[in-house]
Amino acid sequence: NAGVTQTPKFQVLKTGQSMTLQCAQDMNHEYMSWYRQDPGMGLRLIHYSVGAGITDQGEVPNGYNVSRSTTEDFPLRLLSAAPSQTSVYFCASSYLGPSPMGYTFGSGTRLTVV
Amino acid sequence: GNSVTQMEGPVTLSEEAFLTINCTYTATGYPSLFWYVQYPGEGLQLLLKATKADDKGSNKGFEATYRKETTSFHLEKGSVQVSDSAVYFCALMKAAGNKLTFGGGTRVLVKP
Repeated sequence: NAGVTQTPKFQVLKTGQSMTLQCAQDMNHEYMSWYRQDPGMGLRLIHYSVGAGITDQGEVPNGYNVSRSTTEDFPLRLLSAAPSQTSVYFCASSYLGPSPMGYTFGSGTRLTVV
Repeated sequence: GNSVTQMEGPVTLSEEAFLTINCTYTATGYPSLFWYVQYPGEGLQLLLKATKADDKGSNKGFEATYRKETTSFHLEKGSVQVSDSAVYFCALMKAAGNKLTFGGGTRVLVKP
C-alpha cells in the first residue's frame, strides 16, 4: 500500500530554473493538495483539487502552477524558482464526503533554491 | 477567517512526564478538529480527531477533547516516551469544504 508518493525527496535549483514536483496517490481520493512548510509558520496551502480537471488556489499560490488530468496525479510546477521558494513541500490527499477523515500525507520534497 | 493557535515550543520533558499542548481555534460554525504528528524526516500522520462538541479523540495514549465553549482542543498524554519526540500540529476543517488549516506546530523533545 503506497499511499501518497512524492518525488524527488531532495532538489537543489538555481534561481530562475523551473521544475515539477510529482505527487501520486493510489487510494482513489478525490481531494489532493499541496502545502509548503516553513520554520515557525506551520503548513500553508498552495493549491488544491477536488477532482480531475478541477483546481483552485490556496493561501500562497504565487509562483506555482498545478493541473489534475487524472485522479491519481497532482504535479506542482515552479515556473521560475526564487530563493523564497526554499521550503519543504508536502502533498496530501483525502476522500470528499460528509465525515472528514483527515489527510494522508506524502513524505515531502525538500527544495533549496540558490 | 479560520485560524489555529498553538503554544510555541520547544517543549522539553523527561520520560514519563505529563504532556499538554494547548490549541485554540477561530472559525464560524462547527469545524472538525485534528491533531497531526510529524516525526523527524517524515510527513505528517493523523494522530486523532473530533468532529463535534464534547467529542474526545484518542490514539496511542494521546487524548484531546473538543471544547466548543472555550474553542479549544488541547492535546494530552499522561506518560511520554522518548519515541514521542516529534512536532505536533493542531488543525481544523470547516464543515463545508475539505481544506485543513494548521497551527504553527509545537516541537516536543522527550529526554530519557
